[in-house]
Amino acid sequence: EPEVTQTPSHQVTQMGQEVILRCVPISNHLYFYWYRQILGQKVEFLVSFYNNEISEKSEIFDDQFSVERPDGSNFTLKIRSTKLEDSAMYFCASSESGRWGSPLHFGNGTRLTVT
Amino acid sequence: AQRVTQPEKLLSVFKGAPVELKCNYSYSGSPELFWYVQYSRQRLQLLLRHISRESIKGFTADLNKGETSFHLKKPFAQEEDSAMYYCAFQGGSEKLVFGKGTKLTVNP
Repeated sequence: EPEVTQTPSHQVTQMGQEVILRCVPISNHLYFYWYRQILGQKVEFLVSFYNNEISEKSEIFDDQFSVERPDGSNFTLKIRSTKLEDSAMYFCASSESGRWGSPLHFGNGTRLTVT
Repeated sequence: AQRVTQPEKLLSVFKGAPVELKCNYSYSGSPELFWYVQYSRQRLQLLLRHISRESIKGFTADLNKGETSFHLKKPFAQEEDSAMYYCAFQGGSEKLVFGKGTKLTVNP
């Protein structure tokens, strides 16, 4: 069964540095998402992406964050000038269509630790 | 505000006992509701969704609009059901709003 893959599984970075989290969505999916989960808290929506542009973003997704689909397979989340509070598990997801009820397929996540 | 509440952080039952994981939502419109499950060291995966009205691995969930609930039930829990369960909904947009999750432990 096809899966969403995320790399790296764990990233450690120093405060103020830039990080890029990578995801390969399922190949025939058209909608892509980033979620994050701070330790002990709920999974939170960051951004959705369709047709090479952001379709929706949360208030968390400020100018520090950006997403890109640089080629036909990768979907990246860039965090500029990381802060301690950016430490979290970041999940990529994709779905075949963005309509209501369409299930999301999640990757295993990247654990980001900002020191 | 759109919100999902899972009141139990931890739930422990014995094998063969019935289990109910509670979920309440706050949304004035008609939501689409889901249960996602995360087994140990595995990814978040869809367990079931309201729109399909299906039973997966013996689990069912009924949307009660009057009580704004979508509780997950299974009549006879199995040890392999031990996992983290997340209730989530979509309301008015494509984003999923998650609850904080309930960790279910099924004891032998």
